[in-house]
Order: sequence, then structure tokens, then C-alpha cells
Amino acid sequence: QSALTQPASVSGSPGQSITISCTGTSSDVGGYNYVSWYQQHPGKAPKLMIYEVTNRPSGVSNRFSGSKYGYTASLTISGLQAEDEADYYCSSYTSSSTLVFGGGTKLTVL
Amino acid sequence: QVQLQESGPGLVKPSETLSLTCTVSGGSISPYYWSWVRQPPGKGLEWVGYVYYSGSTSYNPSLKSRVTISVDTSKSQFSLQLRSATAADTALYYCARLAGGFMDVWGKGTTVTVSS
Repeated sequence: QSALTQPASVSGSPGQSITISCTGTSSDVGGYNYVSWYQQHPGKAPKLMIYEVTNRPSGVSNRFSGSKYGYTASLTISGLQAEDEADYYCSSYTSSSTLVFGGGTKLTVL
Repeated sequence: QVQLQESGPGLVKPSETLSLTCTVSGGSISPYYWSWVRQPPGKGLEWVGYVYYSGSTSYNPSLKSRVTISVDTSKSQFSLQLRSATAADTALYYCARLAGGFMDVWGKGTTVTVSS
């Protein structure tokens, strides 16, 4: 299985909004509403930010939102804050009953 | 709340078997799926595989020939075995709870180096 495709890096200024894309195929992102997003700060374990495309776990800021259109899922962070600077990974369930991650996106808050 | 703790040797010799255990505390191991994820130094996350509390499994196709994940409900533990380890298996290994298609609880991770 191939990794989902994410941009290597994105950046934005405090207060702005950014969007990270995650592109797959009909066998993963396009075929299931089981896309999730994880935030990882340096030296820390990943943290679930979005699950099942649009849902936020309890405790995650409503500045984080998810969506999907066709084979591409997106994570949008509004009102950027310095603490949002981290690596972000998408993941999807697949038609082979496996999971696959994206390559990761480094978010820089300018 | 549920907590996960990885344990196992930090150094494995090439061609030997990498073995790790994840202990689940603060909650029941059933009726969930439990997963292993690894992260090579400076690289992204790679899903390794998962096990259901009943014992059924699914593995990353690229690792399937070398991986076994098992569960011991009596000890609230699940384990990873990766045979014929090479330097490419050097990574930070995480265990995680899989709730549906997403991992909602993660361990802190344990570093494994494959070297002679």
C-alpha cells in the first residue's frame, strides 16, 4: 500500500488559517469515512486531533476542523497559534482492512 | 483513564527478533483493537499492524512476512515480534488503542536500535 500524499510543509502567521491536504485513492480516503489526523510535537507521542473525517475528540480546540472531498481529506486550523507548530499526519482505513499514514506535514507558525 | 506503556530491549542485533510488549492499564483490553506504529529517526509514522482482543490480526503488507502481533488478555498486554531485524527497523515504536479506524490513546514510545 502506498502512503497517503501530504505536503511536506505549510506555514502561516498567528491568527491566520491554514489547510493541510491528504490525498489517497478509492481504496482508502475515497472509499471510507475513516480518516483521522494526528498532531506530533518534537519528542512527543502523536495526539489524535480529528477522527472519522470531521469529528473532534473531547478537549481538542474547535479551531481544528476536518473535511473530505473525493480522494482528498483536509485539516484546517483557524486562528493559528504558536503552539500549533508541529508535525501533522493523516491516516485512513483501507479496503484491505489495514491502516495507512500520510508522509506528514511540518507546520511552521511564522 | 487508559494508559499504555511499551517495554522491551532497546538494542537488538541484526537478524535477531525484535520483541516489544505494551501493557494496558486503567481500562479493559476488550473490546478494542490494539496497534503498533513506528517512526524511524527523523521520518514519519508507519503503521505496523493491529490485533483484536480476540486475537485476529492485520499487518502492514510491507512487513507481513516478518511480523506477529499477539494479545494476552489475562495480563492486559499485547506484543510485537519482528523477525530478521535489520538496521531499517531502527525506530521509535509506539503502541496505541485503535477505536474504529483511529488511534485515540498512545503510549509514550520506546526506542529500538538494531545494531551489532
